[in-house]
Amino acid sequence: EDKVVQSPLSLVVHEGDTVTLNCSYEVTNFRSLLWYKQEKKAPTFLFMLTSSGIEKKSGRLSSILDKKELSSILNITATQTGDSAIYLCAVAGNQFYFGTGTSLTVIP
Amino acid sequence: EAQVTQNPRYLITVTGKKLTVTCSQNMNHEYMSWYRQDPGLGLRQIYYSMNVEVTDKGDVPEGYKVSRKEKRNFPLILESPSPNQTSLYFCASSKRTGNTEAFFGQGTRLTVV
Repeated sequence: EDKVVQSPLSLVVHEGDTVTLNCSYEVTNFRSLLWYKQEKKAPTFLFMLTSSGIEKKSGRLSSILDKKELSSILNITATQTGDSAIYLCAVAGNQFYFGTGTSLTVIP
Repeated sequence: EAQVTQNPRYLITVTGKKLTVTCSQNMNHEYMSWYRQDPGLGLRQIYYSMNVEVTDKGDVPEGYKVSRKEKRNFPLILESPSPNQTSLYFCASSKRTGNTEAFFGQGTRLTVV
């Protein structure tokens, strides 16, 4: 059965901390892995990863894919209260498969 | 502007009263899908469509129907809604599954009493 598992389920940190969110998958016909941010509305796209070992970076956020380990991590450095959201990992195979998400709360 | 449009945004209805949630995209995408999102369960796929007249069940299809008569539209139909279908629903579209992102509609919060 195809599945995507994210950890931790929730996380509370202080502003300025660095966090690492994990995503592991078992999906047949893997094509890409995507990260989304959801803040009380529709998910918004962050990154798409297709190749192992190549880091994608956008400001304080970065992500990398490890196809050997069937996993990906999303790093957020110097967290801000505006980073508080649910972070969703999705894997595109024959269809899109989503994890349950990691709820991140950043407190001042 | 490229977008996925869902309607209505909010809906309260009674058990057994048929309803349709519409979804339309203006990006000529082949792939469209419906998800429901419930606390602690994440996004679960209800139905998806690879192209016109091609639809497939996702993980939680029971109690739902879809149709894809035109490329741009993918309505979600609840023939006889029940309270366990109270949820937040998202429609999404993409060029295809694979090396493209999925674009999401703004969501429909449905309450069935």
